[in-house]
Amino acid sequence: QAHLVESGGGLVMPGGSLRLSCVASGFTFNTAYMAWIRQAPGKGLEWISYISTTGRTIYYAESVRGRFTISRDNAKNSLFLQINSLRAEDTAVYYCAREVGNSFAYWGQGALVTVSS
Amino acid sequence: EIVMTQSPATLSLSPGERATLSCRASQSIGSDLAWYQQKPGQAPRLLISGASVRATGIPARFSGSGSGTEFTLSITILQSEDFAVYYCQQYNDWPPYTFGQGTKLEIK
Repeated sequence: QAHLVESGGGLVMPGGSLRLSCVASGFTFNTAYMAWIRQAPGKGLEWISYISTTGRTIYYAESVRGRFTISRDNAKNSLFLQINSLRAEDTAVYYCAREVGNSFAYWGQGALVTVSS
Repeated sequence: EIVMTQSPATLSLSPGERATLSCRASQSIGSDLAWYQQKPGQAPRLLISGASVRATGIPARFSGSGSGTEFTLSITILQSEDFAVYYCQQYNDWPPYTFGQGTKLEIK
């Protein structure tokens, strides 16, 4: 059974940085397409980034392009999201998710990022 | 970017009733639509992909239909555990993947 565990969330000041991690287990990570999706408090779901199995193909939502960087380490079954220049509107629960057929079949429990002074 | 619009925003029903949730795409997406269920404090769970294919372990009371721009998620004989927020998501034209704003299914 696929299992995803995020870590690295916390309280950050505006303009600050954070690195989220997601450790995968229960499936062959190096064949999985992965994504980050976030959810602001009381709001809906927003896809923010995608990475292919090798990391060669990467996409970002317009709202985070240039500030967020997705990466992966297949040897460590890990997915990362480096988030820089944080703004109040980046406050959200950040989920890592495994894509299966372009839908998100498996999700982590989420990591809360709060941007506040 | 394809905009997904869900209706109604809130649906109030009683256990045992049937729920019908709608999702509309701003342009045709074929059958490239997924539905998710999210309960408070939990991650979303995939219910349906390909507009009508239930994910592993999803009860048969959940069914999806539609194609093009109009889609429906139906839940027959509502159980107490079905009261949650439901999201649709398109994957026909991406990036970006886009979600609807959600329908809250609440107990009447």
